[in-house]
Amino acid sequence: QSALTQPASVSGSPGQSITISCTGTSSDVGGYKYVSWYQQHPGKAPKLMISEVTNRPSGVPDRFSGSKSGNTASLTISGLQAEDEADYYCTSYTSSSTLGVFGGGTKLTVL
Amino acid sequence: EVQLLESGGGLVQPGGSLRLSCAASGFTFSNYAMSWVRQAPGKGLEWVSAFSGSSTYYADSVKGRFTISRDNSKNTLYLQMNSLRAEDTAVYYCAKHTTSIAARPSFDYWGQGTLVTVSS
Repeated sequence: QSALTQPASVSGSPGQSITISCTGTSSDVGGYKYVSWYQQHPGKAPKLMISEVTNRPSGVPDRFSGSKSGNTASLTISGLQAEDEADYYCTSYTSSSTLGVFGGGTKLTVL
Repeated sequence: EVQLLESGGGLVQPGGSLRLSCAASGFTFSNYAMSWVRQAPGKGLEWVSAFSGSSTYYADSVKGRFTISRDNSKNTLYLQMNSLRAEDTAVYYCAKHTTSIAARPSFDYWGQGTLVTVSS
């Protein structure tokens, strides 16, 4: 069982917006600003989409945004495009371990 | 251009050993924390080990069996894996942190991954 909880799947139509949640505790997501989000297409390595809750690396479209409220972090994708269909993982620093923790992943389907 | 190239994966029997390597280029290797992250077939990501400064960190699932090391003169990260188990079967990714701090799970570059299969 993953330390961070994500929905197994979400879906949306092209042009719509979706939000993927990542729920932890005050020892990880809620207590620190070190939450990152990764996109992974089948057979490919993960790609950093959001770091430190809200920071978008250079080259990542501004359709991707991150936020946090309490013990839950969220990744929002607006103006969905077919190429956004992928698995998405959150990860966070945790005070409970020497290494961070990943969420179980969310499969995004673009209808 | 930042590149991370893993090697050393393969088929090994339970109880056996393997050493993975990750050759880095395109950045000042010694300035950044580096990690190994694995993904079992059809499963999610698991942070396995990290190296920051002179400190090493391990997931409980591999502690005492895996050893991470780095050679800054060769820009190479290693993962020595001993007493391998079937549950260690996974694609192992080498990942570069965005800072020198290993505890912050922000990886801006990943290798292509190397498959480790533990089976008799």
